[in-house]
Amino acid sequence: GAGVSQSPSNKVTEKGKDVELRCDPISGHTALYWYRQSLGQGLEFLIYFQGNSAPDKSGLPSDRFSAERTGGSVSTLTIQRTQQEDSAVYLCASSLARSGPPQYFGPGTRLTVL
Amino acid sequence: KQEVTQIPAALSVPEGENLVLNCSFTDSAIYNLQWFRQDPGKGLTSLLLIQSSQREQTSGRLNASLDKSSGRSTLYIAASQPGDSATYLCAVLSYSGGGADGLTFGKGTHLIIQP
Repeated sequence: GAGVSQSPSNKVTEKGKDVELRCDPISGHTALYWYRQSLGQGLEFLIYFQGNSAPDKSGLPSDRFSAERTGGSVSTLTIQRTQQEDSAVYLCASSLARSGPPQYFGPGTRLTVL
Repeated sequence: KQEVTQIPAALSVPEGENLVLNCSFTDSAIYNLQWFRQDPGKGLTSLLLIQSSQREQTSGRLNASLDKSSGRSTLYIAASQPGDSATYLCAVLSYSGGGADGLTFGKGTHLIIQP
């Protein structure tokens, strides 16, 4: 596609439910990143993929968060047993390679946990 | 751990003025520095990227400079217009043990251009 797309654009869920957020990177981009933007924390890096591999998961906020990428393309970020502090905008970005080229961001998924 | 600071946090100027946004970072071991703009409720739009070996980049009315040794970057906006109103974010891509991880962002400068 022309740009990074994310779905859903908005998600409202109840505390304790699981949610899945999806990211479609720009075609041909091997690197994919997940970030979270919340009012108190600003923009924080969560995890990146080089191809289908995520070498470092230490940026994920807790073990309730997981991410995968298949076929070197689509990625999903899963949050289990959501908590109110998980409410934020989740942004995905992709780039041609891991270091050097610019990162291009999707429009984000706004997650609200009631 | 890399930290990025942006000054000022907010800025309001009349249309037509030239202005400078500042960004500083604590660790000079970076791959690149990227400036973004974010409009309310929207994602990030990449404005300029400066590689660690470069000193500046220009795009239209925007000019970004990088002084890696002192950990500073500036974004210069010439002849500001109301459409420039947005939040401007500075982000650096740093070296880690195995290479680059993700971008480290400043908290942004909220810019308002008064018509």
